[in-house]
Amino acid sequence: AQKITQTQPGMFVQEKEAVTLDCTYDTSDPSYGLFWYKQPSSGEMIFLIYQGSYDQQNATEGRYSLNFQKARKSANLVISASQLGDSAMYFCAMSPGYRDDKIIFGKGTRLHILP
Amino acid sequence: DAGVIQSPRHEVTEMGQEVTLRCKPISGHNSLFWYRQTMMRGLELLIYFNNNVPIDDSGMPEDRFSAKMPNASFSTLKIQPSEPRDSAVYFCASSPREVRNTEAFFGQGTRLTVV
Repeated sequence: AQKITQTQPGMFVQEKEAVTLDCTYDTSDPSYGLFWYKQPSSGEMIFLIYQGSYDQQNATEGRYSLNFQKARKSANLVISASQLGDSAMYFCAMSPGYRDDKIIFGKGTRLHILP
Repeated sequence: DAGVIQSPRHEVTEMGQEVTLRCKPISGHNSLFWYRQTMMRGLELLIYFNNNVPIDDSGMPEDRFSAKMPNASFSTLKIQPSEPRDSAVYFCASSPREVRNTEAFFGQGTRLTVV
């Protein structure tokens, strides 16, 4: 079954600390894509980072990096030097395979950055 | 580019009424997705289209829901008759899927309240 699991419903982190948001996935197709989105309280969905299943290196975008562990089917988001503006809901998502290009989402993790 | 445009932004309707949500995808994008977001169920994929053709509607909750994409620049999601449990934020997203595993670009969403 194609599934995204985010086990942390909520997290509290001190400003300037690094944050790791967990995500595990399940798909039987060897070619798939993984995404992270941010949803602030205003409600819009903001794309953060993408990792392809055949990418040799972990994706990075500014303060965001994706810790991709293929054997463990894990795609954790790491935010370095967290800022107050990082407080938001974070969703892990997957495009399950070459023949199936829908994008499905996990339940999300609500991140609170404390001053 | 104007991005994905959804209308209306807010809709309040009475139970039993027909509701139509509208979406204009980004020009040139050939995949379109409809999602529903609730606190309980998170972000659910309802249906997605490739080149105006519905590919997977397994997420459509019941026969009261229908979606169409008559051309590449317009899609509708209709609920008839509406029920209070349909209250949610409905997102439309589009993606240039000829480039494999490209992220989906989201509209601002329609907040539907059924009373």
